[in-house]
Amino acid sequence: AQSVTQLGSHVSVSEGALVLLRCNYSSSVPPYLFWYVQYPNQGLQLLLKYTSAATLVKGINGFEAEFKKSETSFHLTKPSAHMSDAAEYFCAVIRNAGGTSYGKLTFGQGTILTVHP
Amino acid sequence: GAGVSQSPRYKVAKRGQDVALRCDPISGHVSLFWYQQALGQGPEFLTYFQNEAQLDKSGLPSDRFFAERPEGSVSTLKIQRTQQEDSAVYLCASSQGAGGLVIDTQYFGPGTRLTVL
Repeated sequence: AQSVTQLGSHVSVSEGALVLLRCNYSSSVPPYLFWYVQYPNQGLQLLLKYTSAATLVKGINGFEAEFKKSETSFHLTKPSAHMSDAAEYFCAVIRNAGGTSYGKLTFGQGTILTVHP
Repeated sequence: GAGVSQSPRYKVAKRGQDVALRCDPISGHVSLFWYQQALGQGPEFLTYFQNEAQLDKSGLPSDRFFAERPEGSVSTLKIQRTQQEDSAVYLCASSQGAGGLVIDTQYFGPGTRLTVL
């Protein structure tokens, strides 16, 4: 069974600083990987996804993530934080079951990002 | 453009009451998922529909939980004899296809926050 671990339940950065949110997965085969963002009282919004194409994935709002098989990691980064980035971020995985999957997501515990002036 | 909608947004129930939570997916989306998000946790999978067929209900916590999607569009999650541990946000998501080789983006609704007293 696969699982997802997000290191750090809370991350605080200054506006303009680098954002780094960590995600590690455990899976017997390379999975599909996702980052979602959740603003208060809103649903989850997809930031980006890795589906075994390019290992560096660019998403919306200036975020990107790199799939590193050797480290079983999929960390999310943004070069310069903005106040509007304050939200909760979830890493998620879909097991790549021989090329077919109907898309059941397994989520990490979430990381709350705070951006201060 | 209409996204995924859920109703009610908030529901307070007394322990032992039955509740029904509604999900309106994006029109034409084949796949529909329900997730449960406890306070401070990531969402956890409950059940999956492909059109009207419930293909996976492995995440339903007990036989008090029942979901249906009779015409392949709107879905209802019903919880009978609610317990305090059922308090959570219930998220619905839909995606265009039926899985397979292409992992479609899941679009999430805002959720229904259920509080059981």
